[in-house]
Amino acid sequence: ILNVEQSPQSLHVQEGDSTNFTCSFPSSNFYALHWYRWETAKSPEALFVMTLNGDEKKKGRISATLNTKEGYSYLYIKGSQPEDSATYLCAYGSSNTGKLIFGQGTTLQVKP
Amino acid sequence: NAGVMQNPRHLVRRRGQEARLRCSPMKGHSHVYWYRQLPEEGLKFMVYLQKENIIDESGMPKERFSAEFPKEGPSILRIQQVVRGDSAAYFCASSPLRTSGKVVGEQFFGPGTRLTVL
Repeated sequence: ILNVEQSPQSLHVQEGDSTNFTCSFPSSNFYALHWYRWETAKSPEALFVMTLNGDEKKKGRISATLNTKEGYSYLYIKGSQPEDSATYLCAYGSSNTGKLIFGQGTTLQVKP
Repeated sequence: NAGVMQNPRHLVRRRGQEARLRCSPMKGHSHVYWYRQLPEEGLKFMVYLQKENIIDESGMPKERFSAEFPKEGPSILRIQQVVRGDSAAYFCASSPLRTSGKVVGEQFFGPGTRLTVL
């Protein structure tokens, strides 16, 4: 059974704090690791797709790193803002069919 | 450029009825994926389709569930003889035609269909 674990399950921070989440996935048969941002009542929105060990991606204040050998990825948010409040999902692709296995997500609440 | 469209957004069915969920992928996308989110659970892969072909249905329940993506028209997820345990949010995602040997591109999600079985 392929398992994707995310931690913490939820996080409450103050505006301006920097924060990071972890995604653990099987290190075998790795194809891709996706990060999605999911706001309440909206659709999941892709943040990053990473495929190579050591990949680092950045979009504004959000960045992600990938270690395929040990099976983990970190998502960092620098200077959190209330609009960053959402659930952050990671998803592991283990085949070339595009099938993704999602973690349970980390729910972030940023207080003004 | 319209995003992924799903309809209906909300669907109520009584036990034993059929549910049909529709998904129109983004323009130019030929890969469609269906995911299910049961209450208090995460997104679970159900099926991956290309036009007129089921590529990976390893996440589909063995009975009562079927999916298609015809040459023309939307992808359909069909649930026959629904039971209360089918109540969930069903999400469709699409991605463009892969240009290399791997399908690793991001998937674009629709707003979901919330199915309630009474």
